[in-house]
Amino acid sequence: GQNIDQPTEMTATEGAIVQINCTYQTSGFNGLFWYQQHAGEAPTFLSYNVLDGLEEKGRFSSFLSRSKGYSYLLLKELQMKDSASYLCAVESGGSYIPTFGRGTSLIVHP
Amino acid sequence: SAVISQKPSRDICQRGTSLTIQCQVDSQVTMMFWYRQQPGQSLTLIATANQGSEATYESGFVIDKFPISRPNLTFSTLTVSNMSPEDSSIYLCSANQGGRIAEQYFGPGTRLTVT
Repeated sequence: GQNIDQPTEMTATEGAIVQINCTYQTSGFNGLFWYQQHAGEAPTFLSYNVLDGLEEKGRFSSFLSRSKGYSYLLLKELQMKDSASYLCAVESGGSYIPTFGRGTSLIVHP
Repeated sequence: SAVISQKPSRDICQRGTSLTIQCQVDSQVTMMFWYRQQPGQSLTLIATANQGSEATYESGFVIDKFPISRPNLTFSTLTVSNMSPEDSSIYLCSANQGGRIAEQYFGPGTRLTVT
């Protein structure tokens, strides 16, 4: 099985930077996803990390360390619309179906 | 990319009845899935909908309770049978093209309340 841990909730100020961490324990790691989910809406894809290192995509970056079982999502220049739940998901073994963590609810305030 | 629609978007049902949720993808996809998301919780995979064969269910989910159909590469249904209040949840359809680096696309979800 897999064990995926994320903080339940985080708050940050508009314009600031926030880092959302995700740790996982799994065998046969294939890759790690980050998704954004606004309340009442479907999750939308943000990033996918297979190799160690930082992947940058605009205001959002995602980092992976396979040896440490650790990833983070970095959000820069926070905007109010970034208030959402951020889901970490891991693919492992022979299955390319991701297993999701509980998600981190990010609240951005003025 | 793939755009996924679901019907109904929400429903309120009585205990003991059944509800069928439809999922339509705007393009052919290799794999389709059904997830459940309870309030404040993450996504739990119910089953993989296989085209032309029986669905593959995850631990804790059975075909008699959640029968699934997938008649072609763009459409699937999930039925929640003999509902109880514990089945109140959001049910999400998703799809990907299979293989590595397979981005998972999600439908908007069906919010089910069982009274």
